[in-house]
This record gives sequence, structure tokens and C-alpha cells, in this order.
Amino acid sequence: GNSVTQMEGPVTLSEEAFLTINCTYTATGYPSLFWYVQYPGEGLQLLLKATKADDKGSNKGFEATYRKETTSFHLEKGSVQVSDSAVYFCALSDLRTSGGSNYKLTFGKGTLLTVNP
Amino acid sequence: DGGITQSPKYLFRKEGQNVTLSCEQNLNHDAMYWYRQDPGQGLRLIYYSQIVNDFQKGDIAEGYSVSREKKESFPLTVTSAQKNPTAFYLCASSPHTASGSTDTQYFGPGTRLTVL
Repeated sequence: GNSVTQMEGPVTLSEEAFLTINCTYTATGYPSLFWYVQYPGEGLQLLLKATKADDKGSNKGFEATYRKETTSFHLEKGSVQVSDSAVYFCALSDLRTSGGSNYKLTFGKGTLLTVNP
Repeated sequence: DGGITQSPKYLFRKEGQNVTLSCEQNLNHDAMYWYRQDPGQGLRLIYYSQIVNDFQKGDIAEGYSVSREKKESFPLTVTSAQKNPTAFYLCASSPHTASGSTDTQYFGPGTRLTVL
């Protein structure tokens, strides 16, 4: 079956540090890949996505590249801010194993990021 | 403006009681979903619905029930049969693509249910 593995947190950085959160996946089909962010007490917000190999998703200074050869979708940001403190979830949806309909997202367990001033 | 609303934000229930969580969307999305989130874990799918009057069980449907009588509404009932209902519940919706598959899921703000 499908699975997503994220680096375990928590991750604590100083403001303006470089961020990498690793994400690898296992899928039997051709998944779309997503990063969602969850601020304290809130729902999930879509941060970025990529739908095919070598696509790069980007938003708000965050980037992730869909690497089929390494089955990875690592999240990066060059200079984090205090306001980036949140839980980050990597997820995939696999059209092929969902019977032609992307009904199901498979999530990683989430990585808590704390950015200190 | 468009979005997904969930109510209430916090809900307390006594053991043995059923409780219904509301989810409404005005995005004109066809598909809707319910997830459960527990501390330190990813989200787990409870139920999903791709069209009105149709819904399917997800990975952890036992002890839950849903209805989809209107496109914009997908309420979740947590029944007394759910053994450990205290959790954060998230509703999501997604549009269908031209090919009929569903696209990116968008989430509501969540309801935190506590069983006393």
C-alpha cells in the first residue's frame, strides 16, 4: 500500500536559518504529492503540490521537487521566520490505486517546526 | 468569500452520547471528506463522499456515521459505539477534474471533540 515517511521532529531553528524537512514515499501508481501546514489550533492549509516527476512546487518561499528516482519530496526554505512555526505534513494521492479517483490522501505523521527569534 | 466551515470549534460530550459535527462548504466542490487527527499522528480518513446521496467508508469508519443530502453539507455523527472519540476532526472538500477524478483537498478549521 501507499505510505509517507517524514523526518521526525521537533525541529528547532533560529530565524533566517535554512530549513529542510525530509519526506519519502511509497506508492504503487503515479502519485501527486503535497505539503500541508497546520498552525496551532487550526485546520490544514495547502502549502504546495507537484503532480508529476521533476515538478517543483513553490509557495511563500517554500519549495519541494518531486523526485521519482529517490521517491522523495523534501520541503525547503532558504530563510525561515518565526511565523513559519507550525506542523508540516507531507501527503500523497495516488490516482491509480484509488480506482481512477483521488479520493484518498495518505499523510505522514507531521513535523513540528519551531523558529526562535 | 468561499471556504469550508466547521462547527462548533470545541465540543464536549458525555460518554454514551451521540454527537454531530457540522461541515459546510460554499466552494461548489463535489467531494467531501472527514478525517480524524490524534496527537503526533497523521490524519486518518473516516468517511468520504464523491457526490450527493453517496458516501464510502474510509480507514476508520467504525463508530461513525455520515449523510450527504446536500452538496454543500457533510455532517459527521460520532456515536456511542466509538470507543475513543476524543480527537481533532477535520473536514475537507475537493473539486472534480474534467476527467472525473478529484483534485487537491481543502480543509476546514476543525472541531476538537472531548469526551468527559
